[in-house]
Amino acid sequence: ETGVTQSPTHLIKTRGQQVTLRCSSQSGHNTVSWYQQALGQGPQFIFQYYREEENGRGNFPPRFSGLQFPNYSSELNVNALELDDSALYLCASSLVGGRNIQYFGAGTRLSVL
Amino acid sequence: GQQVMQIPQYQHVQEGEDFTTYCNSSTTLSNIQWYKQRPGGHPVFLIQLVKSGEVKKQKRLTFQFGEAKKNSSLHITATQTTDVGTYFCAGEGGATNKLIFGTGTLLAVQP
Repeated sequence: ETGVTQSPTHLIKTRGQQVTLRCSSQSGHNTVSWYQQALGQGPQFIFQYYREEENGRGNFPPRFSGLQFPNYSSELNVNALELDDSALYLCASSLVGGRNIQYFGAGTRLSVL
Repeated sequence: GQQVMQIPQYQHVQEGEDFTTYCNSSTTLSNIQWYKQRPGGHPVFLIQLVKSGEVKKQKRLTFQFGEAKKNSSLHITATQTTDVGTYFCAGEGGATNKLIFGTGTLLAVQP
């Protein structure tokens, strides 16, 4: 296993609510990326954090935001949830200066009703 | 924006048959990575290709990176039931650190 842990594993929310997902990076990794994976599709890059700052962002609206903490753990926050936000949210850690290889956690399955 | 497509979307083979998935990017890539995701699991890194025309092998798996660095392929020889899963390519291009995943190919292997 990768050593990347995510919580919770499953979550059910209603439209309009806010959600916070958490990720603990693999030891020694200083970069964390978040991905959204809808059913039957490939992971879509949301953003990456390095040294507690956003270091690249995909095509996601501002209601998707994140944080990285000094211990390299991370949070993904989504405000004003929409039905289309239902997906598997994957956190991946990597090492800056390495080959940008993503070590994924098991993900959080979010259902928005 | 940059897009990465894979074909086929789905492949069903008998155990022992070969399998190939193809990956095509709309833009030139600095490198390409391949991941495998088992049903109900998360993507797991397989390999990274960096050089134009590069070929790498991992046991029964052969990976190629095109000369123009816009396409790649994964070939599995003599599939086994343990090969079941979705195979994704992921391209990194330009100055961005953003990894763009392909649409994936789901491989089903019948014993």
